[in-house]
Amino acid sequence: DAGVTQSPTHLIKTRGQQVTLRCSPKSGHDTVSWYQQALGQGPQFIFQYYEEEERQRGNFPDRFSGHQFPNYSSELNVNALLLGDSALYLCASSLLATWDRFSGNTIYFGEGSWLTVV
Amino acid sequence: DQQVKQNSPSLSVQEGRISILNCDYTNSMFDYFLWYKKYPAEGPTFLISISSIKDKNEDGRFTVFLNKSAKHLSLHIVPSQPGDSAVYFCAASAGTDKLIFGTGTRLQVFP
Repeated sequence: DAGVTQSPTHLIKTRGQQVTLRCSPKSGHDTVSWYQQALGQGPQFIFQYYEEEERQRGNFPDRFSGHQFPNYSSELNVNALLLGDSALYLCASSLLATWDRFSGNTIYFGEGSWLTVV
Repeated sequence: DQQVKQNSPSLSVQEGRISILNCDYTNSMFDYFLWYKKYPAEGPTFLISISSIKDKNEDGRFTVFLNKSAKHLSLHIVPSQPGDSAVYFCAASAGTDKLIFGTGTRLQVFP
């Protein structure tokens, strides 16, 4: 059973460029969330996709956009890259139907994509 | 505004002893809490969780305690093993599965 897979693992981009990161959720999961983890910080929620629509969004500018495909995989796009966008980008997957307020849900993370902006 | 705080950046514990990792939160709307473990070059791995309707949850060597009045939770690892050496993140959610993470505590278990 494949877990959450992300690509690419590492990449280097120049300021002003655009980047696309990809994520395949764990088998059976329908919800994909993206997090940014800067060095020395905890992951910060960017947004979440369910049924091909953005369901929730964190405090990130519009330069950050995403997409979910019919097979539940997802892309994170970042335009006009800044040096401060250098971080580990984590994809997390879950099954929305099993989320419960009192038992929560197990959310699985991929290994992340390391983005360096120079 | 850091809603979830892990005030100890690092913790060093001898093998076999208890490790206690602490986490404080400010948002009273949080109703579900999770602990994740992260090794270098890997994604966070789910460890244990607790709902706000409970004050304790156990899973093997891991126990999480929740003190809602103090807005404080802790993760106890007994006994600690060298393989437990990693960064531990506390996370919270408020009615959805959007997680708010703390900054992490690096645990080192030495022989």
